[in-house]
Amino acid sequence: SQTIHQWPATLVQPVGSPLSLECTVEGTSNPNLYWYRQAAGRGLQLLFYSVGIGQISSEVPQNLSASRPQDRQFILSSKKLLLSDSGFYLCAWSSGAYEQYFGPGTRLTVT
Amino acid sequence: KQEVTQIPAALSVPEGENLVLNCSFTDSAIYNLQWFRQDPGKGLTSLLLIQSSQREQTSGRLNASLDKSSGRSTLYIAASQPGDSATYLCAVRQDQGGKLIFGQGTELSVKP
Repeated sequence: SQTIHQWPATLVQPVGSPLSLECTVEGTSNPNLYWYRQAAGRGLQLLFYSVGIGQISSEVPQNLSASRPQDRQFILSSKKLLLSDSGFYLCAWSSGAYEQYFGPGTRLTVT
Repeated sequence: KQEVTQIPAALSVPEGENLVLNCSFTDSAIYNLQWFRQDPGKGLTSLLLIQSSQREQTSGRLNASLDKSSGRSTLYIAASQPGDSATYLCAVRQDQGGKLIFGQGTELSVKP
């Protein structure tokens, strides 16, 4: 069966510090991968998605970036965090356009 | 631009009641629609996926319907239980790329 992992589960970082969140999927190959952010009172917003290694599409201009160094690994990064980057970050995968499955999330607080 | 709306934003019902959650979308050209459940501080759990060619899907006490032409979907929960308390989100996919556009969710509370 397929599983999706995210780490860390929680993170508290000062403004201006770098960020690296990791997501890995097991039990499937060549998945579509997605990063979403859920900010308080603002719903779920798609940040990046990837249909293959090295193929990243950005949905929202911001100081975040994403990379996919391996087939089942998706990384969300920032060089300098802003207060507005606080939120709940969710990684998801799907096999093509079928059902999308979400990871447990990372709670990021920027202080 | 596709917009997804869920009404009501919050709902409180006594245990055992049947209930309906509503989801509407502005562009009927969707690929499929997915319903999720989210417990506080947790990720999303997929409940049901309805393809654009389907009218409904059922899983246990849950039944989701889709009316593409009117831009509406409903999630019916039969015989609600306190364990059903959570936020329910609907999301539409408009192309094979798989990007989901979410509604703001309905926060459900089932009182024992």
